[in-house]
Amino acid sequence: DTAVSQTPKYLVTQMGNDKSIKCEQNLGHDTMYWYKQDSKKFLKIMFSYNNKELIINETVPNRFSPKSPDKAHLNLHINSLELGDSAVYFCASSQGQGAGNTIYFGEGSWLTVV
Amino acid sequence: AQSVTQLGSHVSVSEGALVLLRCNYSSSVPPYLFWYVQYPNQGLQLLLKYTTGATLVKGINGFEAEFKKSETSFHLTKPSAHMSDAAEYFCAVSHNDMRFGAGTRLTVKP
Repeated sequence: DTAVSQTPKYLVTQMGNDKSIKCEQNLGHDTMYWYKQDSKKFLKIMFSYNNKELIINETVPNRFSPKSPDKAHLNLHINSLELGDSAVYFCASSQGQGAGNTIYFGEGSWLTVV
Repeated sequence: AQSVTQLGSHVSVSEGALVLLRCNYSSSVPPYLFWYVQYPNQGLQLLLKYTTGATLVKGINGFEAEFKKSETSFHLTKPSAHMSDAAEYFCAVSHNDMRFGAGTRLTVKP
């Protein structure tokens, strides 16, 4: 059973479109995250939720909106896609927030904007 | 603020040779340090982590790392590289959230 699963794995879409990436974790964790990995493999946190509440919201364009219907799910919706949004988006989870918590990653969603 | 710096974006070793991937951290409080591995087209997997206690930490796949406070380092080593070790390796530091280094790509030559 996949611990952190995200769909779709690959997504090719045109500029200006709106798309969503879904994420679910079956680990019983309280905290979930979205990370963005650029073409140079650099990983940057975008959002963090703890028990459905937004904890971390890095400097991310308003076009990106996370939604957590329950603590096992954290979806990412992106409006008006731009070329620069092309990246790999990783969903992740941890037991709690804060220092020392191991983060478990999903397999990633490869987004290509053309 | 916490951060990590990985020295060397690319390391190449021969199969059977020692693997040494370097990571230095900056932290105003005792750090929690991690190494993750990312195989092509996959997510990140935890290799090992240091929280408190023993400074030499053993992880999966024969990797280990030593926390050296005096050198602010947490280098990752493996005595003998296998072809299957070829991947991207990330060092990370955790406080309020987890911050990753830029990654080191390990290539293993036959």
